[in-house]
Amino acid sequence: DGGITQSPKYLFRKEGQNVTLSCEQNLNHDAMYWYRQDPGQGLRLIYYSQIVNDFQKGDIAEGYSVSREKKESFPLTVTSAQKNPTAFYLCASRRGLNTEAFFGQGTRLTVV
Amino acid sequence: GIQVEQSPPDLILQEGANSTLRCNFSDSVNNLQWFHQNPWGQLINLFYIPSGTKQNGRLSATTVATERYSLLYISSSQTTDSGVYFCAVELGYSTLTFGKGTMLLVSP
Repeated sequence: DGGITQSPKYLFRKEGQNVTLSCEQNLNHDAMYWYRQDPGQGLRLIYYSQIVNDFQKGDIAEGYSVSREKKESFPLTVTSAQKNPTAFYLCASRRGLNTEAFFGQGTRLTVV
Repeated sequence: GIQVEQSPPDLILQEGANSTLRCNFSDSVNNLQWFHQNPWGQLINLFYIPSGTKQNGRLSATTVATERYSLLYISSSQTTDSGVYFCAVELGYSTLTFGKGTMLLVSP
């Protein structure tokens, strides 16, 4: 099946630890995105990548890092510098600019 | 950046009722999508509609790009329509900007 797979579904992190969220797609899409959603809010852009080995900061990049070494994969690391990391994280991909975006099922991160 | 406003913020309907959700945006856009977020958090694509009108079953959408708004119509609503509906727009060649959504609750 073609689609976007995020793992894990639920993730618990202790304060001061880094964690990495996985996003894999087999849609042969060039562009991939990470969004954060807080309760009752819309989605805010963290990082995006239009092509392999290149990525740009979104609106709320502080405390996060990404890599894009393969077309299929765009992992997001939530570092200890992110002061309020508890949120729902959504990964998306699309063929390119001005095309339809598709989303994974999300990862719910909780700091304990 | 571009502003996206959705209305109403919350909507409660009885099963079988019709509804209209609105998305206003502050600038000309090249891309507009409607999504439904189900109770498990999954974002489901409803429409890719930068302009014109599309229909898919009980749902239809219209975007009037020159007047900077889009409407999502839900007819004969069902309890499974409950969730949050998001509008997302793209200005020029950039990234999608989301509105804050409309939370819909359809009661039996």
